[in-house]
Amino acid sequence: NAGVTQTPKFQVLKTGQSMTLQCAQDMNHNSMYWYRQDPGMGLRLIYYSASEGTTDKGEVPNGYNVSRLNKREFSLRLESAAPSQTSVYFCASSELRGTEAFFGQGTRLTVV
Amino acid sequence: QKEVEQNSGPLSVPEGAIASLNCTYSDRGSQSFFWYRQYSGKSPELIMFIYSNGDKEDGRFTAQLNKASQYVSLLIRDSQPSDSATYLCAVNMGYNFNKFYFGSGTKLNVKP
Repeated sequence: NAGVTQTPKFQVLKTGQSMTLQCAQDMNHNSMYWYRQDPGMGLRLIYYSASEGTTDKGEVPNGYNVSRLNKREFSLRLESAAPSQTSVYFCASSELRGTEAFFGQGTRLTVV
Repeated sequence: QKEVEQNSGPLSVPEGAIASLNCTYSDRGSQSFFWYRQYSGKSPELIMFIYSNGDKEDGRFTAQLNKASQYVSLLIRDSQPSDSATYLCAVNMGYNFNKFYFGSGTKLNVKP
């Protein structure tokens, strides 16, 4: 049982390049989330999808777009990467209401 | 602005002592609260959740919730060096669906 799987685990981008972070969950959860984690900042919500077919902005959405491809998959796209987007990105999933969030293993992204 | 506040630490305790971690939150309507542990370079993992005012015990861990004071805490009894990690407080501030906000985390060091 894989839980939440993120790809890639590590990535280095040049300023201005684009890329998509992939996330898939096999727990039949309705809700999925993208967070970024910077030193001393905890986890900040970028975008979330409460259920298939819906997405909404979180605390720090600027510079990102998301796609809820189906119930299992939720991708995060950086259209024009900036050094300020250097961070560790976590995908998570949960039931629609109640219970906790389950996290993927994270993607360490460096923008140079 | 929805906020979750934690003392960033580090909190240093000797092995065998009680570690006390605290968290306050801004949304008075929040209903569910979570403590995650995160080892360096790893993803957050759930330790405990609490929904009702009072104490909830699970082994060496006790979560305490006071909704009137908008305060949640985690006590770790008989602290072990393996408990050394960053502890993240998470508050579900969604209403019709889950929406998790995280504190910046408290780094705990347990000295042998």
